[in-house]
Amino acid sequence: GAGVSQSPSNKVTEKGKDVELRCDPISGHTALYWYRQSLGQGLEFLIYFQGNSAPDKSGLPSDRFSAERTGGSVSTLTIQRTQQEDSAVYLCASRGLAGYSYEQYFGPGTRLTVT
Amino acid sequence: RKEVEQDPGPFNVPEGATVAFNCTYSNSASQSFFWYRQDCRKEPKLLMSVYSSGNEDGRFTAQLNRASQYISLLIRDSKLSDSATYLCVVLNTGGFKTIFGAGTRLFVKA
Repeated sequence: GAGVSQSPSNKVTEKGKDVELRCDPISGHTALYWYRQSLGQGLEFLIYFQGNSAPDKSGLPSDRFSAERTGGSVSTLTIQRTQQEDSAVYLCASRGLAGYSYEQYFGPGTRLTVT
Repeated sequence: RKEVEQDPGPFNVPEGATVAFNCTYSNSASQSFFWYRQDCRKEPKLLMSVYSSGNEDGRFTAQLNRASQYISLLIRDSKLSDSATYLCVVLNTGGFKTIFGAGTRLFVKA
């Protein structure tokens, strides 16, 4: 079946502009995660959704970052007034809650470059 | 101190070698543990879960020591295709906040 998809795959934007990143999780997966990975670094947890609600938003780096999920499916991560330090690969992952599997399935990521 | 810390690497080993990666975590309430593999410019993929009793999957063996808050991954008979970054992952209480280590890079050479 289809995996996690993300769009766009690459985004170049000017400092100060807003960007919107999209994630389509695996159909039926109720849990959805956003991460950020800077060059040569590990993954930084940003936010988690269970259905449409986000129990923990503490990973969002600043109030310029927001995320929403509607219909328990597609999620968007919005970065307002982008800064150069926002440049990174933004990864989305989804997880089903059947049984005891905690495996997260990742999308290919969106590479964001802020110039 | 980072919540999850890994050997910095990189590890450069010949084919056929045995290599071990270590990982420590700071939150004693952490409930689940995993090793993920990430190839260059690709997304991470689950390699194996880690259980207190230890578990093995072919050439890969994972161990968890809750008392020492320590996780390990052993790769035997390394293959060229094992070259990747190995990420230690901890799932905290509540079952959702996932903490990734910075990863350990492995290069297996012919």
